[in-house]
Amino acid sequence: KNEVEQSPQNLTAQEGEFITINCSYSVGISALHWLQQHPGGGIVSLFMLSSGKKKHGRLIATINIQEKHSSLHITASHPRDSAVYICAVGRGSQGNLIFGKGTKLSVKP
Amino acid sequence: DAGITQSPRHKVTETGTPVTLRCHQTENHRYMYWYRQDPGHGLRLIHYSYGVKDTDKGEVSDGYSVSRSKTEDFLLTLESATSSQTSVYFCASVGTSKPGELFFGEGSRLTVL
Repeated sequence: KNEVEQSPQNLTAQEGEFITINCSYSVGISALHWLQQHPGGGIVSLFMLSSGKKKHGRLIATINIQEKHSSLHITASHPRDSAVYICAVGRGSQGNLIFGKGTKLSVKP
Repeated sequence: DAGITQSPRHKVTETGTPVTLRCHQTENHRYMYWYRQDPGHGLRLIHYSYGVKDTDKGEVSDGYSVSRSKTEDFLLTLESATSSQTSVYFCASVGTSKPGELFFGEGSRLTVL
């Protein structure tokens, strides 16, 4: 069993829909990261969180440490949100990361 | 954005040849990482560095070596490339203004024939 599991693996949505991507992990962590990777592109850090909730524009990330679960929400989705979203957990202050396999999101106009 | 660049961005080589990928960052970040990304797998750690001349192995280090002679440069070397090392390689560094924040290079696509 992978230590970081994401669901769903693939997600297709219509423009304007509210989207949720889930991440569950089985190890103790110091922080959880949400990353975005556009097709053929590099990887961009969206959020790093160790508790609670963070918001940036239309993106919201939450984490429940007790349940070892995090969610990434996208409100009013747009085709430019189409990308692979990757969850990664860190162990230790500058520890190595364990990555999920990613969720491929496609938002149709 | 942190200035972190990789070179080359694309490379095709033959089995048995040596290959070096370079990661260069201009932010004076102490921690740097090399990952590979393959279909069906999450990013996997090859090697990492926690300072000049300080490196350690990651999950998939066999067949790879690294060097860090300067803070800004982290080199990944495949001494004798194999087809199983065909992959996309990403370099990353950890920020200091927001500790733990990650910055990634653009990726280097390596094909070993």
